Amino acid sequence: AQSVTQLGSHVSVSEGALVLLRCNYSSSVPPYLFWYVQYPNQGLQLLLKYTTGATLVKGINGFEAEFKKSETSFHLTKPSAHMSDAAEYFCAVSAILTGGGNKLTFGTGTQLKVEL
Amino acid sequence: SQTIHQWPATLVQPVGSPLSLECTVEGTSNPNLYWYRQAAGRGLQLLFYSVGIGQISSEVPQNLSASRPQDRQFILSSKKLLLSDSGFYLCAWRGAWTEAFFGQGTRLTVV
Repeated sequence: AQSVTQLGSHVSVSEGALVLLRCNYSSSVPPYLFWYVQYPNQGLQLLLKYTTGATLVKGINGFEAEFKKSETSFHLTKPSAHMSDAAEYFCAVSAILTGGGNKLTFGTGTQLKVEL
Repeated sequence: SQTIHQWPATLVQPVGSPLSLECTVEGTSNPNLYWYRQAAGRGLQLLFYSVGIGQISSEVPQNLSASRPQDRQFILSSKKLLLSDSGFYLCAWRGAWTEAFFGQGTRLTVV
């Protein structure tokens, strides 16, 4: 079964500092991996995804993530944090459902706080 | 382009009352549809998914049910709400192995 672990439920950085949000996954098949962002009382918005090919993927708002198979990781980074980056971030992996179809299995989320 | 609509945005319901949340998708056909519930610190829990009209699978036993009367319509229901049904409910759709697209969510408070 597929699973996702996000280390650190809360991360705080200074504006302009590096953002690093950690995600490790478990999957018995080659994974499709995703990062989503959620602002208060809103749905989830896709930041970036890895399916196949280049292991360093770039997303919206200056975020990027690197798929490292040997480490089973897909950490999210941004070189310089902005106040508007404060939100909750979710890592997800595709999983196969026994009844057919597939789903995204999500981590428990990381709340990012950006301080002046 | 594809869009997903979910309503209402907020809902306050008394214990024991019925529930109906609706989700519709535009711009795609035969999507995989999902209902998730989100609780603080627990991420997103998949409640139901559907790969086609009338095909509903439940991931966890609970007081809720789901139906898919049309290809792009997904409904979450309850006959009698419990306090524990309070939460933030999200509808989503996917193609085969693409990313999921989410609605704006419904904040349900059972009082």
